[in-house]
Amino acid sequence: DSGVTQTPKHLITATGQRVTLRCSPRSGDLSVYWYQQSLDQGLQFLIQYYNGEERAKGNILERFSAQQFPDLHSELNLSSLELGDSALYFCASNRQGAYLTQYFGPGTRLTVL
Amino acid sequence: AQTVTQSQPEMSVQEAETVTLSCTYDTSESDYYLFWYKQPPSRQMILVIRQEAYKQQNATENRFSVNFQKAAKSFSLKISDSQLGDAAMYFCAYYGGGADGLTFGKGTHLIIQP
Repeated sequence: DSGVTQTPKHLITATGQRVTLRCSPRSGDLSVYWYQQSLDQGLQFLIQYYNGEERAKGNILERFSAQQFPDLHSELNLSSLELGDSALYFCASNRQGAYLTQYFGPGTRLTVL
Repeated sequence: AQTVTQSQPEMSVQEAETVTLSCTYDTSESDYYLFWYKQPPSRQMILVIRQEAYKQQNATENRFSVNFQKAAKSFSLKISDSQLGDAAMYFCAYYGGGADGLTFGKGTHLIIQP
């Protein structure tokens, strides 16, 4: 158990819908990272937040957005969902923004029908 | 942009034997971190080992060790005394710091033959 929690574990929805994925980092960790794992694209970095502020952006679509709240939990919002958004979405956290090991949550499996 | 290449989509090894998984990367940075993560069928991403580029000594964690060749930009993982529980996908990852996340290779599926 990494100490990072993600909810829900599984999510099934339809095309065009909007969903929210939630992540709670390890106690004391200020940075949260979001990754997408799909068969086509492999593991891709989406976005990073540090202590409530956006720190880095990767291959995140404009239909996707994220935020980090004062209690440091983070949410990833996916809208206008397409079949290709079906993937495993991971959240990871670490103590500070740079150079330290990222610990991954168990992931949220999103299926878009 | 950094790239990470794992040239072995699948490897098979007999239980108790030693296996080496390959990883090469491309970067223009001089200071960075490299990681091996394990993803068993449960899909959980588990850190196996990490290496700081400024350290010449290769990292070791119990049965897992790396061969880090900075000039060749190579970072292989050696698993000694392979166990059935080592069966998983193994991902090599690069982190250069700054405004970025981890860059992953496509993974190597490790099969352990009993």
